[in-house]
Amino acid sequence: QVQLVQSGAEVKNPGASVKVSCKASGYTFSGYYIHWVRQASGQGLEWMGAINPYSGGASYAQRFQGRLTLTRDTSTSTVYMDLARLTSDDTAVYYCARDLYRGSYAAYWFETWGQGTLVSVSS
Amino acid sequence: QTVLTQPPSTSETPGQRVTISCSGSSSNIGSNTVNWYQQFPGTAPKLLIYNNNQRPSGVPDRFSGSKSGTSASLAISGLQSEDEADYYCAGWDDSLHGVVFGGGTKLTVL
Repeated sequence: QVQLVQSGAEVKNPGASVKVSCKASGYTFSGYYIHWVRQASGQGLEWMGAINPYSGGASYAQRFQGRLTLTRDTSTSTVYMDLARLTSDDTAVYYCARDLYRGSYAAYWFETWGQGTLVSVSS
Repeated sequence: QTVLTQPPSTSETPGQRVTISCSGSSSNIGSNTVNWYQQFPGTAPKLLIYNNNQRPSGVPDRFSGSKSGTSASLAISGLQSEDEADYYCAGWDDSLHGVVFGGGTKLTVL
């Protein structure tokens, strides 16, 4: 079955970076875009960006431009989310999600989700 | 500040029908498709409706979506206690060049 398994919780100091992994299984990794969505405690959902696992090309939400980097490792079917210059406002659960549409572009329909990774930023 | 506007909460009794609204603008709902997600506390969201009114495999037909102009709605008929959850609308925004979400609606089944 299609599954996304994320790395464990992280605690970071302000100004540091965090790298969260998302390992895919049960489908053709290169065929579907992977998105990242975050959710602060008690708050709504926020789309961060997406990566095409086939080409490695990524797009980012405007507010994360310059601070967010999405990469992938096709040999392990894993996508990585690297967020730099962390502040307390970045404390949230981070989800990876696979697009529903199989193809060379994203439909931005988030079908399968990882279990979420809590990133806490505190001094 | 969220781009898509949803009521913070709504409630209804079991067996009844409830609708959740999602209001946007010409740059998002008005020109792109709308999706709906269901989320239970402490769990990842689940895709409920995509492409305005399509249900992924496994989603009961009690859930339906519609869109008109710059607004969209999620309807749940035959309400059940297990439908008690948070519901989010979402869609692409041409001005922001990204996906935008509503603030979420907490559904209480009385």
